[in-house]
Amino acid sequence: DQQVKQNSPSLSVQEGRISILNCDYTNSMFDYFLWYKKYPAEGPTFLISISSIKDKNEDGRFTVFLNKSAKHLSLHIVPSQPGDSAVYFCAASASGTYKYIFGTGTRLKVLA
Amino acid sequence: DAGVIQSPRHEVTEMGQEVTLRCKPISGHNSLFWYRQTMMRGLELLIYFNNNVPIDDSGMPEDRFSAKMPNASFSTLKIQPSEPRDSAVYFCASSGLVGLYNEQFFGPGTRLTVL
Repeated sequence: DQQVKQNSPSLSVQEGRISILNCDYTNSMFDYFLWYKKYPAEGPTFLISISSIKDKNEDGRFTVFLNKSAKHLSLHIVPSQPGDSAVYFCAASASGTYKYIFGTGTRLKVLA
Repeated sequence: DAGVIQSPRHEVTEMGQEVTLRCKPISGHNSLFWYRQTMMRGLELLIYFNNNVPIDDSGMPEDRFSAKMPNASFSTLKIQPSEPRDSAVYFCASSGLVGLYNEQFFGPGTRLTVL
């Protein structure tokens, strides 16, 4: 049973446009959410996070939006750059736990 | 800091053989995680150590898998005997204070192929 779902295995976007990556979760106990980015032959690296007390968190070109009622979060990348081409994993965690539950990832390809 | 170090980076073995994957966490981190990445299930947590003690091994697929952390700077994940369905990328990650939403730092992974 996948508690964190990334329903789009892949996404292609033109350079300069917005990339929107989506993630849904089922466990209402989750209150902290993260995005990790993974390049080939490397481990995932932390990109951005959001706590459930917020509905938006911004870091440069990256913004994460959280819709608690819909149990949905999204990562926006504006403007997209070829170097953003990678696999993006969404992860969720609950207070007082150590576990991050990861989704299956979305492969983003930014076309020059 | 060198980050989380894993070895080997690639392992090809035959079914039935023993495989040992190694991990050196970031110095000062007291939590260590072993994950497995597959296309179907994404990143799955196999086992979590805190202060060298296994806290949760509920993600370990079966008895063929075992993990140890003899000291704060070294951990192993062993598969014996290995099977083709164990083929995946195995990641080790470490973090500082758990429960305070500290970032997990991942190693580069070991790509395991069991023939």
